[in-house]
Amino acid sequence: DAGITQSPRYKITETGRQVTLMCHQTWSHSYMFWYRQDLGHGLRLIYYSAAADITDKGEVPDGYVVSRSKTENFPLTLESATRSQTSVYFCASTSTSSYGYTFGSGTRLTVV
Amino acid sequence: QKEVEQNSGPLSVPEGAIASLNCTYSDRVSQSFFWYRQYSGKSPELIMSIYSNGDKEDGRFTAQLNKASQYVSLLIRDSQPSDSATYLCAVNRGTGTASKLTFGTGTRLQVTL
Repeated sequence: DAGITQSPRYKITETGRQVTLMCHQTWSHSYMFWYRQDLGHGLRLIYYSAAADITDKGEVPDGYVVSRSKTENFPLTLESATRSQTSVYFCASTSTSSYGYTFGSGTRLTVV
Repeated sequence: QKEVEQNSGPLSVPEGAIASLNCTYSDRVSQSFFWYRQYSGKSPELIMSIYSNGDKEDGRFTAQLNKASQYVSLLIRDSQPSDSATYLCAVNRGTGTASKLTFGTGTRLQVTL
């Protein structure tokens, strides 16, 4: 399927477990981003990537790890999930940094 | 001061009226500005982008930018019930590979019959 896809759509995990959220785009966009969205905070940037093997921290990176070995994939890993990481996670991509982003459908993660 | 500020609303307008959504930003060097629409339970969808001072029109939507006042607005003419959603203002900060969007918390718009 063309576009940007996230998986899973919903995930429930226990505190302390490692969780990986997947993001795949078919446009060969250079830039990819991970945001989390929480009531009262809006969308906050976790990590971003300007190209394969280039990643950088955003506003709220603690507790998260990313990698980008291929242009089309940008997985986000929660090394040891905490309840405060319960959120909706959105992946986004763009071809040029000055353009707007296209978002995936999101992953709703609940940590119990 | 928040980097991007929006009134959370809800902003309630009758069907057919003009809805006016406002956003202010703190970083004077910001160059690109965007409006996203987000329906409940869905992902943000880009509806307008604006890069220079003045107005930009696209159908029923008009984006307005005033860099001197650090102010961006979105006007929705002939508002429809389907326009009921949360509207997110986003500002592009940084340059080149460090460029990234910072979002406001959104304004919830309700279009009433």
